[in-house]
Amino acid sequence: AQTVTQSQPEMSVQEAETVTLSCTYDTSESDYYLFWYKQPPSRQMILVIRQEAYKQQNATENRFSVNFQKAAKSFSLKISDSQLGDAAMYFCAYRIANNDMRFGAGTRLTVKP
Amino acid sequence: DAGVIQSPRHEVTEMGQEVTLRCKPISGHNSLFWYRQTMMRGLELLIYFNNNVPIDDSGMPEDRFSAKMPNASFSTLKIQPSEPRDSAVYFCASSFTSPGANVLTFGAGSRLTVL
Repeated sequence: AQTVTQSQPEMSVQEAETVTLSCTYDTSESDYYLFWYKQPPSRQMILVIRQEAYKQQNATENRFSVNFQKAAKSFSLKISDSQLGDAAMYFCAYRIANNDMRFGAGTRLTVKP
Repeated sequence: DAGVIQSPRHEVTEMGQEVTLRCKPISGHNSLFWYRQTMMRGLELLIYFNNNVPIDDSGMPEDRFSAKMPNASFSTLKIQPSEPRDSAVYFCASSFTSPGANVLTFGAGSRLTVL
């Protein structure tokens, strides 16, 4: 079974600083997709970034980037120039094409002004 | 597009009552998912459909839970009878079924409280 592990229940960062959230996963598949979702207090699940496993280049979306290490089965999220609006729960997720999406337990990010 | 639409947003009911949660996926999406979120268990997949057909319902907790998708634009999750331990936020999500990094788009969730 595929599992997703987020080992940091909580993280905090100073506004304008950089923070990295960790995620590891377990799979025997070679073709899959990885995602980071953000859940603010409104509880809406919002896609932050996605990565195809067959792509070696790390995905980037503005201040958000990932460090994808396929051999190590690691998929961390880096948030640069943190803003107060980045405060939320962050979920790492794994999906094989057309199957269900599996989520980690989440990391609660606090941004200090 | 209005996104994934869920109703009701909040439901408070008494133990033993029937609860029906509703979901309208994004037009054109042909996969639909029901998740449950609790503090203790996080986000759990309950069931998902491809082209209106249930593919995996192994996450449905017990026979009190049932889900249907009578057409491409509507799905229901029913709990009968409800119990206090069913209190949670229930999310519906939809996506395309095609090769590629298919993102799940989530609804706003239905917060259920069973007294």
